[in-house]
Amino acid sequence: DAGVTQSPTHLIKTRGQQVTLRCSPKSGHDTVSWYQQALGQGPQFIFQYYEEEERQRGNFPDRFSGHQFPNYSSELNVNALLLGDSALYLCASSFLETQYFGPGTRLLVL
Amino acid sequence: RKEVEQDPGPFNVPEGATVAFNCTYSNSASQSFFWYRQDCRKEPKLLMSVYSSGNEDGRFTAQLNRASQYISLLIRDSKLSDSATYLCVYRGAGSYQLTFGKGTKLSVIP
Repeated sequence: DAGVTQSPTHLIKTRGQQVTLRCSPKSGHDTVSWYQQALGQGPQFIFQYYEEEERQRGNFPDRFSGHQFPNYSSELNVNALLLGDSALYLCASSFLETQYFGPGTRLLVL
Repeated sequence: RKEVEQDPGPFNVPEGATVAFNCTYSNSASQSFFWYRQDCRKEPKLLMSVYSSGNEDGRFTAQLNRASQYISLLIRDSKLSDSATYLCVYRGAGSYQLTFGKGTKLSVIP
């Protein structure tokens, strides 16, 4: 049973560029959440997708957007990248309560 | 007051020792509580859920005190493999997001 997978594993971008990160949930999971984890911090909730709609959003600007596909996979898009967007981006999938995290995408903005 | 407060550590303990971590949370409407562990440069992994009655899983015991808004994790007979950062997490009532503390770093020394 494959766990949560994310791609790419690492990414380097420059300020002002746009990035798309991808996530495939565990088999049987229908909900995907995205988190940002800066160095030395706990993960911060960006948003959650369920039934192809954004169900809840954290305190992140509109530059952060997402999408969920009919097969439950999801994308996180970040526009107009800032240096402060450098972080580990984690996807978590769930069915009901427990959220299981993928290995993350490490984004560096130069 | 921060939503979740944890002592960042590091806690350096010898193998076989007992170590306890504490966490306080500010949201009195919090509904579900968890401990996740995160190894260096890896994703968070669920260690255990925390119930009001307290619960145990092998060498790990978690306690919740709703009146004091306080959660604890006790690790008995520490192993080298327990070295990690332990994240205190809650989910608020009516919310889908997980709110994380910054984590407490544990190093178990031979």
